Amino acid sequence: DQQVKQNSPSLSVQEGRISILNCDYTNSMFDYFLWYKKYPAEGPTFLISISSIKDKNEDGRFTVFLNKSAKHLSLHIVPSQPGDSAVYFCAGTFNTGKLIFGQGTTLQVKP
Amino acid sequence: DVKVTQSSRYLVKRTGEKVFLECVQDMDHENMFWYRQDPGLGLRLIYFSYDVKMKEKGDIPEGYSVSREKKERFSLILESASTNQTSMYLCASGGTGDLAKNIQYFGAGTRLSVL
Repeated sequence: DQQVKQNSPSLSVQEGRISILNCDYTNSMFDYFLWYKKYPAEGPTFLISISSIKDKNEDGRFTVFLNKSAKHLSLHIVPSQPGDSAVYFCAGTFNTGKLIFGQGTTLQVKP
Repeated sequence: DVKVTQSSRYLVKRTGEKVFLECVQDMDHENMFWYRQDPGLGLRLIYFSYDVKMKEKGDIPEGYSVSREKKERFSLILESASTNQTSMYLCASGGTGDLAKNIQYFGAGTRLSVL
C-alpha cells in the first residue's frame, strides 16, 4: 500500500520557468510533509517542509502547497535553474520520526 | 554541519556472502535508519533504531538484520547476499522533538552489487 505517491516519474522545464512537482498521499495521520532533493551519487538532502495544519510554506525559490481535502501537495520552484536538475522525493511523517517516501520525480531543467 | 558517513561508496559481493554496511553519525541523533533506493520504487525503509540496542522493522526487512551497539553507529547486515539485494543503500539519522521534526540527514550511499 503506497501511502505517498508521486505519479510523474519525470518532468522537463526550461530554465527560468516554473517547475511544479506533485505528490498525493492516502494517510490522514501524517503531521508533516517534507521534500528532499537527490543528485546522482549523493544522498538525499532536505529541502523544505510543511506542517499538516498549514497550506503554504515558502523558502526562497521553493514553495510547498498543501491541499488537505484533496490529500495533495506540490512543490513549486520559481525560477527554475539548471542546478535544480535532480530527483525530488516527497515524504510524509508521523510523530515517530519515521518518513514514508514517494517514488520520486526526476526534474530536468534545460538551459 | 551534520555528517552521516557510510563506510563504502561501492561494494561488489558474491551470492551467499555475509555483507556489513556501516554508518556513523556525528550529531548525537537518537534515530537512525537504513533505506534502499531502487528505480521507480523510491526510498524504502529496511530497519530503524530509536536508541542503542533497539531496532524496529521497516517495510522490507526480509534478508536483512541490523546492529546498534553505540549511539553513533548503525550497521546493516545482509546475512546471505542475493542478487535481488543489488541496490543503493542509504543510511540516515534524525532527532526527535520539534520539527527538527523528523528531518533526516542522509549519507552519500553505498552502491552494492551482488553477483
